[in-house]
Amino acid sequence: GQNIDQPTEMTATEGAIVQINCTYQTSGFNGLFWYQQHAGEAPTFLSYNVLDGLEEKGRFSSFLSRSKGYSYLLLKELQMKDSASYLCAAMDSNYQLIWGAGTKLIIKP
Amino acid sequence: GAVVSQHPSRVICKSGTSVKIECRSLDFQATTMFWYRQFPKKSLMLMATSNEGSKATYEQGVEKDKFLINHASLTLSTLTVTSAHPEDSSFYICSALDSGTGISYNEQFFGPGTRLTVL
Repeated sequence: GQNIDQPTEMTATEGAIVQINCTYQTSGFNGLFWYQQHAGEAPTFLSYNVLDGLEEKGRFSSFLSRSKGYSYLLLKELQMKDSASYLCAAMDSNYQLIWGAGTKLIIKP
Repeated sequence: GAVVSQHPSRVICKSGTSVKIECRSLDFQATTMFWYRQFPKKSLMLMATSNEGSKATYEQGVEKDKFLINHASLTLSTLTVTSAHPEDSSFYICSALDSGTGISYNEQFFGPGTRLTVL
């Protein structure tokens, strides 16, 4: 079956670094997405990886290992506004997104 | 970036009535749109895939007669919740694939969501 696993909740301190892990199993693979979702709002796109390696975009970086079915989202210099849920989603062979349950990130001052 | 709008953003209706939610891609064409449902503190659940000019593909367990989807143009898909009941209360989100980007980068652009409350 198809499955996405990510931690339910994480806590970090303002200014620090946090890494949110995601493992996936899908029928075929057409890329791994990370989305940020604030409460009551729709998800917003953060990153897309289809090749192995690290993609850096400002304070956010995303890593993918296709052989391990593994990705992580790295957030640096955490700000209070980064408190949100982070959704990992893998695209399968039918170009449909298989969603993880999301990781709620709590930032403390 | 590509913009997707949803209307209405919030709707309250009586049990037994029907509610139509519109999803529009504002600055791009979308041959494929997706409808999701999200329960509080849960992830998105794909309800159906909407393809312009053809019938929608529903996920297992989603009643096609209850959740009517029409993708009449390259910029508009509608979801109609028929004979709504309190258990249909949820956050409904649409997303659209930008047809112009090609198959190599399949980013979905999300609408802002519609919060439906059925009394």
